[in-house]
Amino acid sequence: AIWMTQSPSLLSASTGDRVTISCRMSQGISSYLAWYQQKPGKAPELLIYAASTLQSGVPSRFSGSGSGTDFTLTISCLQSEDFATYYCQQYYSFPYTFGQGTKLEIK
Amino acid sequence: EVQLVESGGGLVQPGGSLRLSCAASGFTVSSNYMSWVRQAPGKGLEWVSVIYSGGSTYYADSVKGRFTISRHNSKNTLYLQMNSLRAEDTAVYYCARALWFGELSLGYWGQGTLVTVSS
Repeated sequence: AIWMTQSPSLLSASTGDRVTISCRMSQGISSYLAWYQQKPGKAPELLIYAASTLQSGVPSRFSGSGSGTDFTLTISCLQSEDFATYYCQQYYSFPYTFGQGTKLEIK
Repeated sequence: EVQLVESGGGLVQPGGSLRLSCAASGFTVSSNYMSWVRQAPGKGLEWVSVIYSGGSTYYADSVKGRFTISRHNSKNTLYLQMNSLRAEDTAVYYCARALWFGELSLGYWGQGTLVTVSS
């Protein structure tokens, strides 16, 4: 199985800030990585797939980068609706593991 | 419009069984990669299982041998048969569809159904 380390687990920021979330793999996964946003009581929503491709309808302030073992989700200018929990997921090999999650809270 | 609606959750005793359903509309289940993902209360997401359009199935180690993913083509419905349930299987279970054929990120999700395993 591929081990994933997502960091930080908690991130405090203010509206307008630029933030980054990291996901590191125990082995290379090419670009088979997705990022999801989840708000309390709701199902996750896909933000980024194939490491850097923005899902349709997702604001351009979200971006993804990386390949191989190191990946990053960046939110360039935080809006109030962005405070949520974010997960990475690898779909290179089974089991298709998720990262531990990053809760983005208002500072 | 793609829609996924889960049902079948509830309270079950340890060692018991439950079958979850996921009714799909707006697309054909048998032509897509379909997954189950769960989330224990206050915890993160855990991938559970996938069924490919060709019928191949894969499972997380934590459920292998106890859970079975399947589909009913004429009902356009995905299922998760859960046997020998344990307290640690307590979670909201989501069904999800791959974004499109060949892109396995989960682009569409249902609202989830809660399974509680307790005596």
